[in-house]
Order: sequence, then C-alpha cells, then structure tokens
Amino acid sequence: KNEVEQSPQNLTAQEGEFITINCSYSVGISALHWLQQHPGGGIVSLFMLSSGKKKHGRLIATINIQEKHSSLHITASHPRDSAVYICAVGGSQGNLIFGKGTKLSVKP
Amino acid sequence: DAGITQSPRHKVTETGTPVTLRCHQTENHRYMYWYRQDPGHGLRLIHYSYGVKDTDKGEVSDGYSVSRSKTEDFLLTLESATSSQTSVYFCAISESRDKVGTEAFFGQGTRLTVV
Repeated sequence: KNEVEQSPQNLTAQEGEFITINCSYSVGISALHWLQQHPGGGIVSLFMLSSGKKKHGRLIATINIQEKHSSLHITASHPRDSAVYICAVGGSQGNLIFGKGTKLSVKP
Repeated sequence: DAGITQSPRHKVTETGTPVTLRCHQTENHRYMYWYRQDPGHGLRLIHYSYGVKDTDKGEVSDGYSVSRSKTEDFLLTLESATSSQTSVYFCAISESRDKVGTEAFFGQGTRLTVV
C-alpha cells in the first residue's frame, strides 16, 4: 500500500466548478504539502500545513491529523488551473513522500 | 523563487554511457535531494545529502551515485546509463531535516532519454 494516496487520479471539470482533490496518508507526519505541476514540468509549492486550514486566493487546503486526510479545494475553477496536483508528506530521511498526483483539466 | 538550477535541462544519451546531472543552489540550504518522476509513480527519492560530503541512499538508488563537494552543488551520476533510467529528474532543497515541514523548493527538472 502506498504511503500517500490521492484521489481522483484524473479529473475533468467545467470552468466555474468547485473542485476537490483528496489525499490520505498512512505515516506520521509533521506537515503535508500540496504542490502544483504544470505541463513543462516545474513544481511549485502551494501549501504546507500541519493543522486546520489554509487559503490562498481560490485555493483552500484542509487537513485532519486524526483521520490522516487532507483536501485541496479550488473554487470557481478556471482553465489556467489545469495542472497536476501533488500531495506530499515528510519522510524519515528529511525527504518528501509523494502521491502519484491528480491530473486536473478545466474546460472553458 | 528559490535559487535552484538544474543542468542540463534536456539530454539524450546512449545506453552504457556515463551521465552527470548537476543541481546548483544559491540558498545555502543544508539538505539536497535527487528525485525521479515516472508515469504511474509519484516522485521517488534517489539519493540525498545532508551536508558537504555527506550523502545517503534513497528508495531507488541502484545505478546512481552522487557527490557533494560544495554546499551549493549536488551531482547525480549514472555510471552506465540504461533505458530504465529514462525519466525526469528533479533536484530539491530544504533548510532542515528536523523541520521536514519547511517549504520544499524544486529545480525545473532534467528530462533524460537513454536510447
């Protein structure tokens, strides 16, 4: 079983829709990251959170430590949000352990 | 943006040849990591470094070696490239191991094709 599981793997939405991407993990963590990877490959950190909720623009990330679950929400989705969204948690070697990513496509 | 530069950005090489990828940082971060990204897998750790001349293996280290002679440079070497090492390679840096929650910074990636 993977230590970090994301769902769904692929997601297609219409512009304006509310989007949720889920992440479950099986290891103890100090923090969880949400990352964004656009075509062309660069990886950008969106959020780092260890409890509660964070908001940045139309993006909201929540985490439930007891349930070992996090969600990334996108409100009023836009085609420019199309990307791969990756959940990652801290590993024992100081590295990150990554989920396989969720490929989001937002249609106009 | 964090100062991380990977070189080269793209490379095509023949099976059996040695290849070295370079990661250069200007953030003076202690920890540096090499990951590979393949379809159907999340990014997987190849090797990491926790200081000059201090390195250790990750999950998928077979066929790879690393060196760190200066804080700012972390080199990944494929001694004899194989087709299974065709992948996109990412370098990452972080400030502290204990603070794994510190924001991770990534290089732009190197697309390596072994033919």
